[in-house]
Amino acid sequence: GAGVSQSPSNKVTEKGKDVELRCDPISGHTALYWYRQSLGQGLEFLIYFQGNSAPDKSGLPSDRFSAERTGGSVSTLTIQRTQQEDSAVYLCASTLRGSKEAFFGQGTRLTVV
Amino acid sequence: QQQVKQSPQSLIVQKGGISIINCAYENTAFDYFPWYQQFPGKGPALLIAIRPDVSEKKEGRFTISFNKSAKQFSLHIMDSQPGDSATYFCAASIGTSGSRLTFGEGTQLTVNP
Repeated sequence: GAGVSQSPSNKVTEKGKDVELRCDPISGHTALYWYRQSLGQGLEFLIYFQGNSAPDKSGLPSDRFSAERTGGSVSTLTIQRTQQEDSAVYLCASTLRGSKEAFFGQGTRLTVV
Repeated sequence: QQQVKQSPQSLIVQKGGISIINCAYENTAFDYFPWYQQFPGKGPALLIAIRPDVSEKKEGRFTISFNKSAKQFSLHIMDSQPGDSATYFCAASIGTSGSRLTFGEGTQLTVNP
């Protein structure tokens, strides 16, 4: 695609439910990142995938958060048993091999009620 | 641990004025310092970036000044325009391409007509 695509754009869920957020990176980009942006805050790193290497999960805030990347392309971020503090914009970014320029999607705004 | 500190949180300038946003970092291993621009409802977009082997980089109206000894870098927007009104994030990363970004808290810039 022309850019990083994320879906859904908005998600409202009840506390305790599981949610899945999807990211479709730019075609050919080997690295994929998830970040979280809370209201009025900077971006917080969550997880990083690079090719076939083991992902860097060091930013995941709890074991309720997990992510996978299938076929080196699309990624899904799953949040289990959502809590109100999970409410934020979840941003996905990808980079081309050899480049440090990260291209971001428009994000998924998650609201836990 | 906040490794990149950004100031001010918000900034209001008049059209035609100079906008200056500052960032300070702690980790001397950082070797890539980008600035991202984010409009409401959009993902961040790379504006300009610098590496520590140069003290200044200019692209159009946007200039990064870098002070390695002070561990500080700043974004200058010359001839600020209302269309520049957005949130600006500084960031830093280490090492090879594809490494994760550590972001500052963001500065909300408003340029009055």
